[in-house]
Amino acid sequence: QVHLVESGGGVVQPERSLRLSCVASGFSFRYSSIHWVRQAPGRGLEWVAAISYDGSDRFYADSVRGRFSISRDNSRNTLYLQMNSLRPEDTAVYYCAREEDDHYYIDVWGEGTTVTVSS
Amino acid sequence: DIQMTQSPSSLSASVGDRVTITCRASQDITNYLAWFQQKPGKAPKTLIYAASTLQSGVPSKFSGSGSGTDFTLTISGLQPEDFATYYCQQYKSYPWTFGQGTKVEIK
Repeated sequence: QVHLVESGGGVVQPERSLRLSCVASGFSFRYSSIHWVRQAPGRGLEWVAAISYDGSDRFYADSVRGRFSISRDNSRNTLYLQMNSLRPEDTAVYYCAREEDDHYYIDVWGEGTTVTVSS
Repeated sequence: DIQMTQSPSSLSASVGDRVTITCRASQDITNYLAWFQQKPGKAPKTLIYAASTLQSGVPSKFSGSGSGTDFTLTISGLQPEDFATYYCQQYKSYPWTFGQGTKVEIK
């Protein structure tokens, strides 16, 4: 059974930092690209960042580039999202999602972790 | 960036109806398009990839079509569990982008 479990969300003040984690199980994590997607309250889905299977390629949405950093530890089957200089508009549920190996689409989603940026 | 525009933003339908949602890309994405279903408080679920290929385990009442810039998702024989919000998403190029969503409500 393929699973992605996010953690690390919480309430944080503006301009502070937070690190999210996503632990994978049930598949060969080290061979898969992984993404972060977020959803602000009452809003649609927004793609945030992606990392290739070996971490050599990383991609970011303009809204987070320079503030967020995606990374992975394949020995721990874990994906990270380091979020710095947080803003109220970063308030959202953050999902990690697996990119299917052969056809490059998102096929598996985690349940999400909630980040609230508020003073 | 590639913009994805869905229509309608919402629709009301009855159990048993057939509904169609459209998605337009601002440039050619060939068939690098996926459709997702999301219910309130839940993670999205993948329905279709490559514009028309059904994800494993998804019932055949869902179908997708299109290529280039214009795509459709059709749901045949709506059931109560199908009332949800549906999103299209392009994965042709970064940044990946989603449509704004279509909420399918009970009439």
